[in-house]
Amino acid sequence: ETGVTQTPRHLVMGMTNKKSLKCEQHLGHNAMYWYKQSAKKPLELMFVYSLEERVENNSVPSRFSPECPNSSHLFLHLHTLQPEDSALYLCASSQDRGVGELFFGEGSRLTVL
Amino acid sequence: GENVEQHPSTLSVQEGDSAVIKCTYSDSASNYFPWYKQELGKRPQLIIDIRSNVGEKKDQRIAVTLNKTAKHFSLHITETQPEDSAVYFCAASIGGTSYGKLTFGQGTILTVHP
Repeated sequence: ETGVTQTPRHLVMGMTNKKSLKCEQHLGHNAMYWYKQSAKKPLELMFVYSLEERVENNSVPSRFSPECPNSSHLFLHLHTLQPEDSALYLCASSQDRGVGELFFGEGSRLTVL
Repeated sequence: GENVEQHPSTLSVQEGDSAVIKCTYSDSASNYFPWYKQELGKRPQLIIDIRSNVGEKKDQRIAVTLNKTAKHFSLHITETQPEDSAVYFCAASIGGTSYGKLTFGQGTILTVHP
């Protein structure tokens, strides 16, 4: 496996469920990100991790809980979501937490019923 | 914070024509401007970027121009091909800080008709 991989690719959940999205990068990068992509809206940065330390929480509701156990793995734990949280959630990584190319995963398409 | 506006939201051209997508940004401290291409059902991928110390950058059929005074930058695609059809996103960020944070535009859906 190379690049950035995300699982699951598709997820349907009820508002009372608890689920997790997983991201793994095989690029040796030090920074990882969660972005939310909704229809007709810009990509929205949610969280930034640098060397396993959260350096950015972009005013994201607490029903989204990130976890970065090591520099290669990033999780997004979901609980009591709302239908408006339905979107494509993209994980990305970069060499360092400064400017530079973001390498995105294919995304996890989340539908909240 | 930074605000990036992107126009047009949709663009339709004939194969072989040129396509231009424009973005404006609000924070004069921004100094890094990448463009990402996202094909249907695929991940966004960087296609070209420019830093504020240059005014233009080219890579084969694509080019980006930057006007720091007016705070706008543009993507130019020449001799368009059907495989150029995708959503294109511009972004801006301030580099050299403790961490970089890209602010993206809303995206432009480019359709190239054969």
